[in-house]
Formats: sequence, C-alpha cells, structure tokens
Amino acid sequence: GQNIDQPTEMTATEGAIVQINCTYQTSGFNGLFWYQQHAGEAPTFLSYNVLDGLEEKGRFSSFLSRSKGYSYLLLKELQMKDSASYLCAVLNDYKLSFGAGTTVTVRA
Amino acid sequence: DAGVTQSPTHLIKTRGQHVTLRCSPISGHKSVSWYQQVLGQGPQFIFQYYEKEERGRGNFPDRFSARQFPNYSSELNVNALLLGDSALYLCASSLPQGSYGYTFGSGTRLTVV
Repeated sequence: GQNIDQPTEMTATEGAIVQINCTYQTSGFNGLFWYQQHAGEAPTFLSYNVLDGLEEKGRFSSFLSRSKGYSYLLLKELQMKDSASYLCAVLNDYKLSFGAGTTVTVRA
Repeated sequence: DAGVTQSPTHLIKTRGQHVTLRCSPISGHKSVSWYQQVLGQGPQFIFQYYEKEERGRGNFPDRFSARQFPNYSSELNVNALLLGDSALYLCASSLPQGSYGYTFGSGTRLTVV
C-alpha cells in the first residue's frame, strides 16, 4: 500500500520562509514530485527529486532522503500568490500517489 | 503549444446517469492518466493508458472505464453515477517513463445530484 503524510495546514507571513514536510511509505519508488494547486484549478509542477539531496529552483527548493522516506518543499520570500495547496506525490512505475495536500496561507 | 485540454469544464448529472469526460494530451505525449480528486483530498489514480492499451487501474469499481484513441486522446466513462462520484476529474499526460513529469489539464468538475 501507499502512505503519504503531510501537514494539513500552514500559515506564514509575506516575505517569510515555510517548509512543508512529506513522509512516505510506498511499495515502490521512482521519484517524488511536488505540485502547487490553487483552489479549483489543476495541479502545476514544482519539482521532481529522484536522488537524495536538495534541488533548488528560484524561490522553491525540494529535498529528498530516500532512506528516511522523507521530503520537504521550502518556499522562500513568500508572496500572497503562494497561498495554495501543495501536494506531495510519489511515482511508482507509472502511477502517482498523492498526499492529501498542505494548504498554505500567506498573511500580509 | 497547447497543454492538456479537458472537456467539459463543468457538468451536472443526476444519480444513475452516465457521463463521458474527454482529454487531449500534449502533442508528443502518448500516455494519458486519469485521477479523481474529491474536495479536500489529493488526486486518486483511476487509469493510465499508453499506446491505446490500459497500463494500470486504481481501486475504482467497474462502473469506471476508459479508452485511448489512435490520436492519443482519451475518454473516461462513468456509469450509474452516485453522489460520491462528485469530484474534480483530472487528466494528465506524460512521456512513457513518467519521470519527466506529468502535466495536468484543468479538470472537469462533476456534480452528481
């Protein structure tokens, strides 16, 4: 089975940093994705990790530790438009298994 | 270059009815996956098709079926609709390995009344 856990909600102030953790236990692993989803819209790709370590892409960074079954998404210099749900998803062969999502609210 | 397109965007159906949802993948993508997202949850895998063959199926009843056409577009069919089928249905296209990323369409919001 697949078990992917992430916090339900997080709140942060504009300009601050927020770290969203994701832990997973899955029967197979071909990589881990982070997606951003605004209410009522499609998930949009943020990052992909398949090897251990940190991947940096502008204000967003993602980290993976395969031995610990752990990843995090780091959002820096938060902007109001970053208020959204952030989904952690594990790829197993051809299938993505998603966590329930973390709703991030950015306050002025 | 067009992304993944889905139609219709919104749909209201009555319990017991049948629905067909459509998806056109990104040009060059031969793999199409369908996901169901209930409000407040992450997307759940329904099907993946590659080269017109079903590659995998999630834990959904036989009321759910799909197919892929020679141009790689796809249809998701749901029979005997239940209130619990109300959800956002997402289509994603990808290259075969998947590791290059899945691009999602904007989805079809299905409401069953």
